[in-house]
Amino acid sequence: TQLLEQSPQFLSIQEGENLTVYCNSSSVFSSLQWYRQEPGEGPVLLVTVVTGGEVKKLKRLTFQFGDARKDSSLHITAAQPGDTGLYLCAGAREGGKLIFGQGTELSVKP
Amino acid sequence: EAGVAQSPRYKIIEKRQSVAFWCNPISGHATLYWYQQILGQGPKLLIQFQNNGVVDDSQLPKDRFSAERLKGVDSTLKIQPAKLEDSAVYLCASSLDGLAALQETQYFGPGTRLLVL
Repeated sequence: TQLLEQSPQFLSIQEGENLTVYCNSSSVFSSLQWYRQEPGEGPVLLVTVVTGGEVKKLKRLTFQFGDARKDSSLHITAAQPGDTGLYLCAGAREGGKLIFGQGTELSVKP
Repeated sequence: EAGVAQSPRYKIIEKRQSVAFWCNPISGHATLYWYQQILGQGPKLLIQFQNNGVVDDSQLPKDRFSAERLKGVDSTLKIQPAKLEDSAVYLCASSLDGLAALQETQYFGPGTRLLVL
């Protein structure tokens, strides 16, 4: 059972375009994390959102946690080729356990 | 600061053979995780250690997978015998004290890519 559904699964855009990735669940999580994974590497944490309705910005990336703490979105403004990678959302449960979504493969073409 | 180290980086074996992966977490991190990431999917937790004790191994296929962290530092994950469906990236991660903080950061190693033929 996939507890976290990410969409879209694949996204190919031109440099300079904006995009949004969604992470949805029927379960409530205590916090939600977003990771980026590049080929041949492990995931690297981008942000953790904890409070329902919370919005965090990291340069051109904006992360939002849904009011009910069941869903989240990642918006990238003016995407660059360096943003290419696999974006993973992960819901946190007690004891440090993370439940990952299946990922969104982003390709930004120059 | 040194990150999480894993070896080997790549391994190709035939089905029914055995294989072992090694992980050295960040110094001082009490919690260590092993994940399996099948192509096109997100990582799936196999086992979580707190120091040298197992916290969660509910998703570990115990008939063929085993893991240990005898001295509470390094860890090994073994598959015996391997099946075709075990082809995946095996990621090791560590955190300072996973049980204590829900917002704690997990630091991932580069992974071991396993291909079972």
